[in-house]
Amino acid sequence: AQTVTQSQPEMSVQEAETVTLSCTYDTSESDYYLFWYKQPPSRQMILVIRQEAYKQQNATENRFSVNFQKAAKSFSLKISDSQLGDAAMYFCAYSSVNSGNTPLVFGKGTRLSVIA
Amino acid sequence: ETGVTQSPTHLIKTRGQQVTLRCSSQSGHNTVSWYQQALGQGPQFIFQYYREEENGRGNFPPRFSGLQFPNYSSELNVNALELDDSALYLCASSSGTLETQYFGPGTRLLVL
Repeated sequence: AQTVTQSQPEMSVQEAETVTLSCTYDTSESDYYLFWYKQPPSRQMILVIRQEAYKQQNATENRFSVNFQKAAKSFSLKISDSQLGDAAMYFCAYSSVNSGNTPLVFGKGTRLSVIA
Repeated sequence: ETGVTQSPTHLIKTRGQQVTLRCSSQSGHNTVSWYQQALGQGPQFIFQYYREEENGRGNFPPRFSGLQFPNYSSELNVNALELDDSALYLCASSSGTLETQYFGPGTRLLVL
């Protein structure tokens, strides 16, 4: 079974600075998807970024980018020019593409605080 | 385009009761997945529905059951509630079983 590990329960960053959240995963599959979701106090899980494992190029979405290291099974999220609205729980998630259904397997999350 | 909606927002039940949670999928989405998120944890997969059929189930007992309707909305039913069922229940919809899942705001269930 796949597992996702987020080793940083809490992180903080100054407004306008850059922060990197770590994620590692364990799988025997060669093709899969990886995601970062953001969950603000409103509780709604919001998709931040998605990475397909077969793509070597790291995904980017505006101020959010990932460092995908397939051999190391590492998938970190970099947030540039941090804003107060970035404060939230961030979850790393894995999804297989080899089964008929693709449940997301989540890590335990990292709570990000943004300091004004 | 309407996003994923869930009702009710909050719910309080007592042990042994039954509860039904509802989810309306995003327009154009035919797949709904349900997750349970205990306090301080990441969401755990309960089950997925695709075109009105259960399409995969996580490690949850049979007292967790579901339905998907022709308009692709879905219900999660939990019988014989236990204290440990207290959690945030999240519904996510997607345009196919291999597509990105988009989440609703969740239902907070408290079992006393």
